[in-house]
Amino acid sequence: KNEVEQSPQNLTAQEGEFITINCSYSVGISALHWLQQHPGGGIVSLFMLSSGKKKHGRLIATINIQEKHSSLHITASHPRDSAVYICAVQTSGSRLTFGEGTQLTVNP
Amino acid sequence: GAVVSQHPSRVICKSGTSVKIECRSLDFQATTMFWYRQFPKQSLMLMATSNEGSKATYEQGVEKDKFLINHASLTLSTLTVTSAHPEDSSFYICSAPLRLGGRGEQYFGPGTRLTVT
Repeated sequence: KNEVEQSPQNLTAQEGEFITINCSYSVGISALHWLQQHPGGGIVSLFMLSSGKKKHGRLIATINIQEKHSSLHITASHPRDSAVYICAVQTSGSRLTFGEGTQLTVNP
Repeated sequence: GAVVSQHPSRVICKSGTSVKIECRSLDFQATTMFWYRQFPKQSLMLMATSNEGSKATYEQGVEKDKFLINHASLTLSTLTVTSAHPEDSSFYICSAPLRLGGRGEQYFGPGTRLTVT
């Protein structure tokens, strides 16, 4: 079993839909990251969370430390949101362990 | 915001040659940088932790003599793939934390796509 599990693996949505991607982990962490990877490969850090909830534009990330679970929500999804979304947990120091990623496709 | 650059963005080399990939933190100092490898349709895997002024720490299964890491300054780490083989073809990404110990953001380079023919 992976230390970081994401679901779903693939997600297709219509423009405007509300999207949720889930991440569960099995180890103690100092922080959790949500990353976005576009087809060209470049990675953008969306959020770093250690508790509670963060919001940036149409993106919302939550984390429940007791349940070892985090969610990434996208409101009013748009085709430009199509990308791979990766959950990564930060353990010792600044080392990251990554989930398998969720391929999101938003159709117009 | 903080930026991490990588060079080159793409490289094609012949089997048996060596390839050097550079990772630079452009507006902050990074005593530690991380090198990752990503095979198609797979997630990133940590290869090694690059430490300025000391030896890199390699993950289990990563050959330190094949993947040479040099952290020459507080803003530059290099990964050299020696005697490259086609199975080394992959996407290599570096990252640098703004602050160590889980207190800061991590910034990722744009990646280097290596193809060994």
